[in-house]
Amino acid sequence: QLQLQESGSGLVKPSQTLSLTCAVSGGSISSGGYSWSWIRQPPGKGLEWIGYIYHSGSTYYNPSLKSRVTISVDRSKNQFSLKLSSVTAADTAVYYCARGSYGDYGAYYFDYWGQGTLVTVSS
Amino acid sequence: EIVLTQSPGTLSLSPGERATLSCRASQSVSSSYLAWYQQKPGQAPRLLIYGASSRATGIPDRFSGSGSGTDFTLTISRLEPEDFAVYYCQQYVSFGQGTRLEIK
Repeated sequence: QLQLQESGSGLVKPSQTLSLTCAVSGGSISSGGYSWSWIRQPPGKGLEWIGYIYHSGSTYYNPSLKSRVTISVDRSKNQFSLKLSSVTAADTAVYYCARGSYGDYGAYYFDYWGQGTLVTVSS
Repeated sequence: EIVLTQSPGTLSLSPGERATLSCRASQSVSSSYLAWYQQKPGQAPRLLIYGASSRATGIPDRFSGSGSGTDFTLTISRLEPEDFAVYYCQQYVSFGQGTRLEIK
């Protein structure tokens, strides 16, 4: 059973960089056919996709966050990471990592999720 | 960018009743890309339906999805107490704003 686990700082000061890591177990991040995403959810609000990375290292970011986001993969540790720079209070959210799967006829969906980690931006 | 609009915002029903949740896309989308998730308080979203109508592994058959073009529906045929939660539709990397299903 694939499992994803987020870790990182739960409190970040405004203007600093948020850093999170997602450790993948029960499967290899190097397996083809999947993307590895970060998705966030501000308190009491909906889901916002941040970006994803393939095992090859290719990335695709939400245009609204692109200038501040970097997602990287460490295949040796079977994990991928998120960096979000110049954070403000608006970046306070629960951050999830998730696996994106591709099905028949171009289906795309997030089938495995981490439990999420709350990141608060505050001085 | 495709915008997904879910309705109603909140749906109040009783256990045993049928729930019908709607997801409308701002432009026609391939049904293959439409998925539905359930989220309970303090938990990560759980995949229910992908490809508009295929149930994910372990999802009870009281959950069903349908639709095409711009209009998609999640139906829960007979509500169980554990079904009261927030439901999101998703198309590629866009999510709807969610429908809260609450106990009447």
